[in-house]
Amino acid sequence: GAGVSQSPRYKVAKRGQDVALRCDPISGHVSLFWYQQALGQGPEFLTYFQNEAQLDKSGLPSDRFFAERPEGSVSTLKIQRTQQEDSAVYLCASSPTQGTADYEQYFGPGTRLTVT
Amino acid sequence: GDSVVQTEGQVLPSEGDSLIVNCSYETTQYPSLFWYVQYPGEGPQLHLKAMKANDKGRNKGFEAMYRKETTSFHLEKDSVQESDSAVYFCALSGTTSGTYKYIFGTGTRLKVLA
Repeated sequence: GAGVSQSPRYKVAKRGQDVALRCDPISGHVSLFWYQQALGQGPEFLTYFQNEAQLDKSGLPSDRFFAERPEGSVSTLKIQRTQQEDSAVYLCASSPTQGTADYEQYFGPGTRLTVT
Repeated sequence: GDSVVQTEGQVLPSEGDSLIVNCSYETTQYPSLFWYVQYPGEGPQLHLKAMKANDKGRNKGFEAMYRKETTSFHLEKDSVQESDSAVYFCALSGTTSGTYKYIFGTGTRLKVLA
């Protein structure tokens, strides 16, 4: 079946521009996560949705970052007034369960954001 | 706080060599432990997992034992192949900062030499 898809795969933004990154999770998956992966590092948690509810946004680095999942399926991560330090790969993951520790998270291929 | 430490940034075994990739963790809870593998241009994918102390995760000849007494989850393989080359991340979930979120290590790049 179809996995997690993300678009665009690559995004180049000038400093100060706003960007929107899209995630299509696996159909029926309740939980959705966003992670940020800097070059040569492991993914770092940004935010978590259970259906349409954003239950945890503790990892968002600043108020320039905003995520939504209005109908409990597709999610968008928006970054306003991008800065060079925002350059990273943004990964989306989904899981069929409601926030339990032992279930696999299925990752998309990521969006590579480069801010010039 | 909760953390995962992978001490090797890169390992370069020859084909047929044995392998140990170190992973240590710190948390006050009883986490689930994972190894994820990431190929170029792709997102991480689950390689193996262990849910409780003394569980052993296995996949494609790789093994990792959940050792609570040493807070470790080292990845081992008896004989590596060139096709095993990838970046391997150790991760945990089920911590005080959230049962659902993964905390990843910095990754170990495995490049198997032919």
